[in-house]
Amino acid sequence: DGGITQSPKYLFRKEGQNVTLSCEQNLNHDAMYWYRQDPGQGLRLIYYSQIVNDFQKGDIAEGYSVSREKKESFPLTVTSAQKNPTAFYLCASSKSGRAGSYEQYFGPGTRLTVT
Amino acid sequence: EDQVTQSPEALRLQEGESSSLNCSYTVSGLRGLFWYRQDPGKGPEFLFTLYSAGEEKEKERLKATLTKKESFLHITAPKPEDSATYLCAVQAGYSGGGADGLTFGKGTHLIIQP
Repeated sequence: DGGITQSPKYLFRKEGQNVTLSCEQNLNHDAMYWYRQDPGQGLRLIYYSQIVNDFQKGDIAEGYSVSREKKESFPLTVTSAQKNPTAFYLCASSKSGRAGSYEQYFGPGTRLTVT
Repeated sequence: EDQVTQSPEALRLQEGESSSLNCSYTVSGLRGLFWYRQDPGKGPEFLFTLYSAGEEKEKERLKATLTKKESFLHITAPKPEDSATYLCAVQAGYSGGGADGLTFGKGTHLIIQP
């Protein structure tokens, strides 16, 4: 079955530690995205990537970093510089193209709690 | 700045009671408007994409429509399993990147009582 996997489902970290969230897709999509969701808030874009070895900052990139070494994988690192890291993190993927607007498919999410 | 406003924030209906959810948007050239369903603790599930004013799409008890300023998600004779948060999102005009993120509203939390 094609889809997007995120691991782990729940993650607990101490303040000051970096943590990496995994995202893998087997949909053969070129574009991948990371969003953050907080209670009562809409999803907010952290980073996105249209192609391997290229990525762009979204609206709230400060305190986060990403890499895109393989088409299937787009890991997100939450660094100690992120002031409020506790949130629900969602990874998505889509087709990519200059003329199109394509729906994004989401993974199941990772809930990160930092204390 | 692109903005998406959804109303109401929450809606409680009796089973079989039809209603509509609203999504108002301001965007610099709409490339696409998307509706998603999200269950608690899970990732959003794609429902519809609308591209231009006047367009309509249907799936089971759901029908999405689009005007130049807003979109509606009509729910006909809902069942308890339709209970979820419904999210609206827009993708702005081509910025040179070819694939940009979506701007989401805060969602409408829908509860269907048996």
